[in-house]
Amino acid sequence: DAKTTQPNSMESNEEEPVHLPCNHSTISGTDYIHWYRQLPSQGPEYVIHGLTSNVNNRMASLAIAEDRKSSTLILHRATLRDAAVYYCILRDPSDTDKLIFGTGTRLQVFP
Amino acid sequence: EPEVTQTPSHQVTQMGQEVILRCVPISNHLYFYWYRQILGQKVEFLVSFYNNEISEKSEIFDDQFSVERPDGSNFTLKIRSTKLEDSAMYFCASSVGTGRGYGYTFGSGTRLTVV
Repeated sequence: DAKTTQPNSMESNEEEPVHLPCNHSTISGTDYIHWYRQLPSQGPEYVIHGLTSNVNNRMASLAIAEDRKSSTLILHRATLRDAAVYYCILRDPSDTDKLIFGTGTRLQVFP
Repeated sequence: EPEVTQTPSHQVTQMGQEVILRCVPISNHLYFYWYRQILGQKVEFLVSFYNNEISEKSEIFDDQFSVERPDGSNFTLKIRSTKLEDSAMYFCASSVGTGRGYGYTFGSGTRLTVV
């Protein structure tokens, strides 16, 4: 399975933008880049996914490098509710259906 | 917004007892999954289920575990003879499709404590 590397933790102040990086230098051409987050005492929650182009939804934006070896999840204005562990996961849907979670980035948001 | 519902939220059981964890996936979803997370550790895949059969399972999912979709709405995980190391959060998830980058919807989990 292709691997991802994320910082263990990051901090932000409320209402500031947050850029969560993910490196995936061994990504293959068919791997999708997925982001999930896990709030305290909750199950993982789907955030966004993309293949090559940048993506936006109501929760976040996903910026994908041109060579696809890295990506950045962007929270435009962090709220206290965004404090969670964020997981960057590669999926080759033709290979396996399961999600392989790493240790993710723990985001702390300060008032 | 549609949700995956899991019951109970917390279950305490004695070692060696059988437990059944229940999940109601989102109604138009076709793919179903169980994951678990031991306290302080990563979320781990257990099993995926499609068209009334297991499509993939992990090494964790041994003969003690089984899954069933008994009535078209519920999706259950049974642990036949629980061990202390089965204590974990168990998450059910469902997806409308697979391939082409579909996202999963997870439930809030069942905390299983084996004593």
